[in-house]
Amino acid sequence: RKEVEQDPGPFNVPEGATVAFNCTYSNSASQSFFWYRQDCRKEPKLLMSVYSSGNEDGRFTAQLNRASQYISLLIRDSKLSDSATYLCVVNERGMRFGAGTRLTVKP
Amino acid sequence: DTGVSQNPRHKITKRGQNVTFRCDPISEHNRLYWYRQTLGQGPEFLTYFQNEAQLEKSRLLSDRFSAERPKGSFSTLEIQRTEQGDSAMYLCASSLGGGDRQYFGAGTRLSVL
Repeated sequence: RKEVEQDPGPFNVPEGATVAFNCTYSNSASQSFFWYRQDCRKEPKLLMSVYSSGNEDGRFTAQLNRASQYISLLIRDSKLSDSATYLCVVNERGMRFGAGTRLTVKP
Repeated sequence: DTGVSQNPRHKITKRGQNVTFRCDPISEHNRLYWYRQTLGQGPEFLTYFQNEAQLEKSRLLSDRFSAERPKGSFSTLEIQRTEQGDSAMYLCASSLGGGDRQYFGAGTRLSVL
């Protein structure tokens, strides 16, 4: 089993749609969790940290379920500029990345 | 620019040659990480340093790979006797502490012919 698994994607959605990404991790001792965004041929950049109580940053909402070892990212009112690959990341001494889910938002 | 800097940005080499990459982290960051990323995959963890100490190495880091951070500042990643399968983007990241967000450099793209 991979350390971090994500929805395979790709997701192709129209502008304004709501889209949700899911992620599971294998190490129950993992302590910190993140969503990173990676544009084509660019380095990953932090989108948001994920907290146990759930957290929101504008149109983005992240949730963590430690019992199920499950992380989610919800994007509301998607924009063309949201098109990117979204990486689920679990920190256990070194960051463990999922393979990423590609999102394309179309006009 | 006070971000993470990687050099060179691109490296083309022939199979069997040795290559060395450099990473300069954000100056006050204690932790430095190396990752490898191939097309369609997320970054794969290779190794990390806490100051000058190398604390963990992935199984992916074969004997041909070696990383150093001699003074706890910049780091080098050397690949000896390169193989075509080593072709990838090599990313460096740094963070203040273990649980903190990591800042990535733009990466070094290696092509082994």
